[in-house]
Amino acid sequence: KAGVTQTPRYLIKTRGQQVTLSCSPISGHRSVSWYQQTPGQGLQFLFEYFSETQRNKGNFPGRFSGRQFSNSRSEMNVSTLELGDSALYLCASSETRGTEAFFGQGTRLTVV
Amino acid sequence: DAKTTQPTSMDCAEGRAANLPCNHSTISGNEYVYWYRQIHSQGPQYIIHGLKNNETNEMASLIITEDRKSSTLILPHATLRDTAVYYCILRISGAGSYQLTFGKGTKLSVIP
Repeated sequence: KAGVTQTPRYLIKTRGQQVTLSCSPISGHRSVSWYQQTPGQGLQFLFEYFSETQRNKGNFPGRFSGRQFSNSRSEMNVSTLELGDSALYLCASSETRGTEAFFGQGTRLTVV
Repeated sequence: DAKTTQPTSMDCAEGRAANLPCNHSTISGNEYVYWYRQIHSQGPQYIIHGLKNNETNEMASLIITEDRKSSTLILPHATLRDTAVYYCILRISGAGSYQLTFGKGTKLSVIP
């Protein structure tokens, strides 16, 4: 089985721009969660999607949003990028809610 | 705040068992103990989880004390590729939030 695939792997954006990151979960997995990792704050939960619905959201501003499609693929969007949004963005998929989560390699976003 | 306490760092000689402790004195009855590890710049990797019984899989063993206030992850024969940050996480079962709350983890260095 293929693992969790995140695209792109690396991205450089300018302050004020917006960005969309993509996550393809493991085949058959229906739950997708997103996390942000920075040197200062560590790994922080962004949101969780299941059956195309956002089930839970972390403590991030409204500039961070996401969605899930009927095939369980997910995207997250960050609008009006700030320098502090530079981070490794990780996607994790689970067979269903609450089961073991498997992470992708992440997308490293640099905002300049 | 993370509900677990782990040592900041540990060293282990290659080929020896690595025993990584975790304290979770306020664990609830419906919380599982999960272990993940993160090798530099990669996504976290699921290792093992348990509720109250000891668990073993092809990667590691998990020993949970009878009062469930602490646990130990055991890597039986550490290799250089086991050098990583190891996270001990409590995760609730049942309805509600399934997010993983990562602390700072233990940086394990396997030494030749």
